[in-house]
Amino acid sequence: GAGVSQTPSNKVTEKGKYVELRCDPISGHTALYWYRQSLGQGPEFLIYFQGTGAADDSGLPNDRFFAVRPEGSVSTLKIQRTERGDSAVYLCASGEGRDTEAFFGQGTRLTVV
Amino acid sequence: KNEVEQSPQNLTAQEGEFITINCSYSVGISALHWLQQHPGGGIVSLFMLSSGKKKHGRLIATINIQEKHSSLHITASHPRDSAVYICAVRLNTRSKLTFGTGTRLTIIP
Repeated sequence: GAGVSQTPSNKVTEKGKYVELRCDPISGHTALYWYRQSLGQGPEFLIYFQGTGAADDSGLPNDRFFAVRPEGSVSTLKIQRTERGDSAVYLCASGEGRDTEAFFGQGTRLTVV
Repeated sequence: KNEVEQSPQNLTAQEGEFITINCSYSVGISALHWLQQHPGGGIVSLFMLSSGKKKHGRLIATINIQEKHSSLHITASHPRDSAVYICAVRLNTRSKLTFGTGTRLTIIP
């Protein structure tokens, strides 16, 4: 597609459940980022992929969060044992490389009830 | 203290006014981004700067590396410019973007 696509756009889940959020970056973009944005706050970094590998995962808040990008294109953010505090908009961005312009998706709004 | 500070937090102006949003940062950076976020919408990249000035339509972005400061200007503002404008920096030693908390701009017709 022409832009970064994230699915689903909205996800409501019960506390304790497992969720997967998907990001389809712009074709050919090697850099992929996940960010999390809580209400009224700026986005916070979670993880950065360069190709298939996680080059920087320092923003993942704890071991319930995990992300993969097995073929260097689509990425999945996985959250285990969800908690109400995980509720936020999860944003994905891609770029041609490390220090290039970042293009953002529309985000996935996750609500844990 | 946040690494990226924006001011003002909220700005309301009349249609046609010249708008300035400021961003200050406290560390060395390789690039600074200005982003636009509409309510319920995703983020759109407006500019990426590492020096000087860029212009796109009614939007102008400037950066002063020595003073660690950037400004986003909107000329002839229009209600459709109403959005949250976010400044984000890429630190010299890191790959990720560090974001400011945003400036909520409302343009009244």
